Amino acid sequence: DAKTTQPPSMDCAEGRAANLPCNHSTISGNEYVYWYRQIHSQGPQYIIHGLKNNETNEMASLIITEDRKSSTLILPHATLRDTAVYYCIVTSGSARQLTFGSGTQLTVLP
Amino acid sequence: NAGVMQNPRHLVRRRGQEARLRCSPMKGHSHVYWYRQLPEEGLKFMVYLQKENIIDESGMPKERFSAEFPKEGPSILRIQQVVRGDSAAYFCASSPPRGPNTGELFFGEGSRLTVL
Repeated sequence: DAKTTQPPSMDCAEGRAANLPCNHSTISGNEYVYWYRQIHSQGPQYIIHGLKNNETNEMASLIITEDRKSSTLILPHATLRDTAVYYCIVTSGSARQLTFGSGTQLTVLP
Repeated sequence: NAGVMQNPRHLVRRRGQEARLRCSPMKGHSHVYWYRQLPEEGLKFMVYLQKENIIDESGMPKERFSAEFPKEGPSILRIQQVVRGDSAAYFCASSPPRGPNTGELFFGEGSRLTVL
């Protein structure tokens, strides 16, 4: 799986959009970008994934650059409950495991 | 629809004892994964199982650790002769039969093992 690089921490004001970047410059053509988050000591939670096109669901939006070397997870209206570690993971569709890096600690401030 | 159920949520063992952690996957899921999270570290893959088969155990320590997913009942992660370094949170995840892009795993709340 391709390596990902994320900032270790970010702050965001409550009610504002949180934009979390991820670099994956060595991504290959069959690899997807997945985002998970882990709220303090809980099990990780799937957020969204994509291959080439931008994706949106009820939780977030995923913007993938045209060259696919980076992506941004967008939480449109961050709440205090969105404070968590966010993991960007790149994996091929046939992978049997996910490799979690260090992630980004997002702190939503009141 | 109940999520992934893990028990016990907390387990305390003395050095040399055995620890058994159980995981019941979501209904309809036949694939189970175990991950370990050491204090202040990220999750590390341990093992991937389907019913009665170990598919990938590349992340399992070579000794003392074993996992199974029998035809009936939960998946079990067994740690024999525990040492203090085994203290960690152990997360189980499940997924339906894998498709071309099904990297979506459903995680349980974890079992926290403390070795005294």
